[in-house]
Amino acid sequence: GAGVSQSPSNKVTEKGKDVELRCDPISGHTALYWYRQRLGQGLEFLIYFQGNSAPDKSGLPSDRFSAERTGESVSTLTIQRTQQEDSAVYLCASSLRGLGPGELFFGEGSRLTVL
Amino acid sequence: AQSVTQLDSHVSVSEGTPVLLRCNYSSSYSPSLFWYVQHPNKGLQLLLKYTSAATLVKGINGFEAEFKKSETSFHLTKPSAHMSDAAEYFCVVSFNTGGFKTIFGAGTRLFVKA
Repeated sequence: GAGVSQSPSNKVTEKGKDVELRCDPISGHTALYWYRQRLGQGLEFLIYFQGNSAPDKSGLPSDRFSAERTGESVSTLTIQRTQQEDSAVYLCASSLRGLGPGELFFGEGSRLTVL
Repeated sequence: AQSVTQLDSHVSVSEGTPVLLRCNYSSSYSPSLFWYVQHPNKGLQLLLKYTSAATLVKGINGFEAEFKKSETSFHLTKPSAHMSDAAEYFCVVSFNTGGFKTIFGAGTRLFVKA
């Protein structure tokens, strides 16, 4: 597609359940990023992929969070045993290259609500 | 340590008056600097970027920003606010430290009054 696509756009789940969030980057973009945005707050870096490797996982808040990427394509962010504090909008971005100050192109986010 | 600080969490202006959103950064490296805008329930969109060329950078929708190294600032300005400018604005700093790092400011919400 023309832009970064994220699904689902909204997800309501019960505490303790696992969720998967998907990101389709812009075709040809080698770098992919996941951010978390809690209500009324800024963006919190989670993880960065260059191709299908993740040189920077420093932002993942706990071992309940994991992410993978297939080649230079789709990425999945998985949250296991969700907690209420996981409620946030999860934003995905891609860029043409990750080794320089390139523009980030963002999806519209996946809004996660944990009851 | 690298950091970015947006000095105002909220800014309110009247339509037709100037806009100033303030951003300061701290870096041991030569930074690249960006401003992104986020309209309600929308993704983030790049407004403008500085990457060591001209220190005065012009962006979309009449916004511009000036990189001032001596003040470690990258404030965003617009001469005349429009109602459609009401949104959240993020100052972003990017450092090449042998790996690529991007840090987002906490954001400034701009309100525009009729």
